[in-house]
Amino acid sequence: SQTIHQWPATLVQPVGSPLSLECTVEGTSNPNLYWYRQAAGRGLQLLFYSVGIGQISSEVPQNLSASRPQDRQFILSSKKLLLSDSGFYLCAWDTGGEMGIQYFGAGTRLSVL
Amino acid sequence: SQQGEEDPQALSIQEGENATMNCSYKTSINNLQWYRQNSGRGLVHLILIRSNEREKHSGRLRVTLDTSKKSSSLLITASRAADTASYFCATASNTGKLIFGQGTTLQVKP
Repeated sequence: SQTIHQWPATLVQPVGSPLSLECTVEGTSNPNLYWYRQAAGRGLQLLFYSVGIGQISSEVPQNLSASRPQDRQFILSSKKLLLSDSGFYLCAWDTGGEMGIQYFGAGTRLSVL
Repeated sequence: SQQGEEDPQALSIQEGENATMNCSYKTSINNLQWYRQNSGRGLVHLILIRSNEREKHSGRLRVTLDTSKKSSSLLITASRAADTASYFCATASNTGKLIFGQGTTLQVKP
């Protein structure tokens, strides 16, 4: 069966520090991968998605970047965090099939202070 | 931009009552999905309804879709305290990406 791992679960970082969030998927190959951000009490905002190794599409211009160094690994990064980067970050995957059902990780709560 | 608008934003009911949430969207879709999110956790897929379907059932869940009105509803029957969560609709189109609504927060009181 397929599983998705996302870590860390919580992170407190000072303004101006770097960021690296990692997401890995097991039990499937060539998944589409997604990074979302969720503000408190709000819906999901798509940040990046990837259909293959090294292929990254950015949805929203911002202080963040994403990379996909391996088929089932998706990394969200920042060189210098801003206060506005605080939020709940979710990684998700799908098979790229017609239905587009996505499977989510447990999320990372990021607080930038 | 978010396509889905959900109504109500928050809903509080007693255990055993039914809960109804609505979702409206703007563009044509291939399917509409509903997800559940427990507090501080990831989303879990509940049910999918295709654009050519009008109603679908899964256990205590009933979803309807009206493509002429660009709207959907999720009904949870005989609610339980464990149903307390946020519920999101998401639309899938030819872009291959999902667009999520803002969600409805459901509280079921025991």
